[in-house]
Amino acid sequence: GESVGLHLPTLSVQEGDNSIINCAYSNSASDYFIWYKQESGKGPQFIIDIRSNMDKRQGQRVTVLLNKTVKHLSLQIAATQPGDSAVYFCAENPGGGADGLTFGKGTHLIIQP
Amino acid sequence: SQTIHQWPATLVQPVGSPLSLECTVEGTSNPNLYWYRQAAGRGLQLLFYSVGIGQISSEVPQNLSASRPQDRQFILSSKKLLLSDSGFYLCALSKGVGEAFFGQGTRLTVV
Repeated sequence: GESVGLHLPTLSVQEGDNSIINCAYSNSASDYFIWYKQESGKGPQFIIDIRSNMDKRQGQRVTVLLNKTVKHLSLQIAATQPGDSAVYFCAENPGGGADGLTFGKGTHLIIQP
Repeated sequence: SQTIHQWPATLVQPVGSPLSLECTVEGTSNPNLYWYRQAAGRGLQLLFYSVGIGQISSEVPQNLSASRPQDRQFILSSKKLLLSDSGFYLCALSKGVGEAFFGQGTRLTVV
């Protein structure tokens, strides 16, 4: 089975509110994690990444939190906007090398006006 | 900056027909290249990856094959398509441990 998964398939939030998307992983050897945003009919776009030697990383309006104890990853989006509506995937690099990323199933974030 | 070109964007093919999807990259050399498939409403499944010319690793047994005839070219093929081959095919590149950059994908419908 997949080593990376998401708790909720759909998340609906009001425009302007903060959103939190969660992800669980099972491979304790994974040392690199990424969040991607995918709009309908397009390829995934990189949002933010974090390495296992960190527990928090911030970008513009986004924050990724990593809890290695419980193998949990989350993406926080502040002050959501209509353009944030998309499917969000977490991904890990379990091999630590060239053998690609393992993706979770994705969470569809819907921004309500 | 690096760019990934995939074509065609959409494709409708009959069952039993051959397939060739091409991915080319610019702005980088010696990239690791990947083919992923995404079924409707699902996550991304890694199909093949390549660390260099002529080097292909397959992640799942299937009706598809991949080739890398040039450093910046990655091709996904099939001799005879099945209905179950329908999906959204994404080419990606990376430069080692780090983020993968994705192309815009090819939506394949096998009828």
